[in-house]
Amino acid sequence: EDKVVQSPLSLVVHEGDTVTLNCSYEVTNFRSLLWYKQEKKAPTFLFMLTSSGIEKKSGRLSSILDKKELFSILNITATQTGDSAVYLCALITGTASKLTFGTGTRLQVTL
Amino acid sequence: KAGVTQTPRYLIKTRGQQVTLSCSPISGHRSVSWYQQTPGQGLQFLFEYFSETQRNKGNFPGRFSGRQFSNSRSEMNVSTLELGDSALYLCASSLSTSGTGSLVWEQFFGPGTRLTVL
Repeated sequence: EDKVVQSPLSLVVHEGDTVTLNCSYEVTNFRSLLWYKQEKKAPTFLFMLTSSGIEKKSGRLSSILDKKELFSILNITATQTGDSAVYLCALITGTASKLTFGTGTRLQVTL
Repeated sequence: KAGVTQTPRYLIKTRGQQVTLSCSPISGHRSVSWYQQTPGQGLQFLFEYFSETQRNKGNFPGRFSGRQFSNSRSEMNVSTLELGDSALYLCASSLSTSGTGSLVWEQFFGPGTRLTVL
């Protein structure tokens, strides 16, 4: 059975800190890994990673995938209170469009 | 372009009743997936429809069913509701389930329907 594990489960940081969120996985027939941010209701797409070692970057957020060690990290630099959310890691496997999600990391950024 | 819409946004039912949730995907998107989100289990895949056909199914009992119409709108039905069915039900649409590239695989989520079973 496909498994996606995120760590830490929750995190409280001060504004301006840098955080690293982890996602490790055990899946068959890996296709892609996605990161989502969920604030209130709908998860919003952040990144999709398919190849190892290629960093994806968007503003203060960046992510990289290691397909050999089966993990991905999401970095957020100079955190702001607006970054407070649950960050979800999800995998696409095989030919399905089914996403297998991790339980998420709840990030709280305080002033 | 309008996003994914779900109706109703909130629903309260009692045990034993049935419920139907609706999802309208982004225009042009043909794939619709449904997920259940609970505090204990996180986001879990229910099923996916593409061109009116169920293509993938998660590990949920037969009380959970769905369908997709020719305009790609989808409905999800839960019969004989149980207390444990209380959850946020999210619908996501994507362009397609074939091909490569992030545009194909990226799923856009609706705001969800919060179902409470009493």
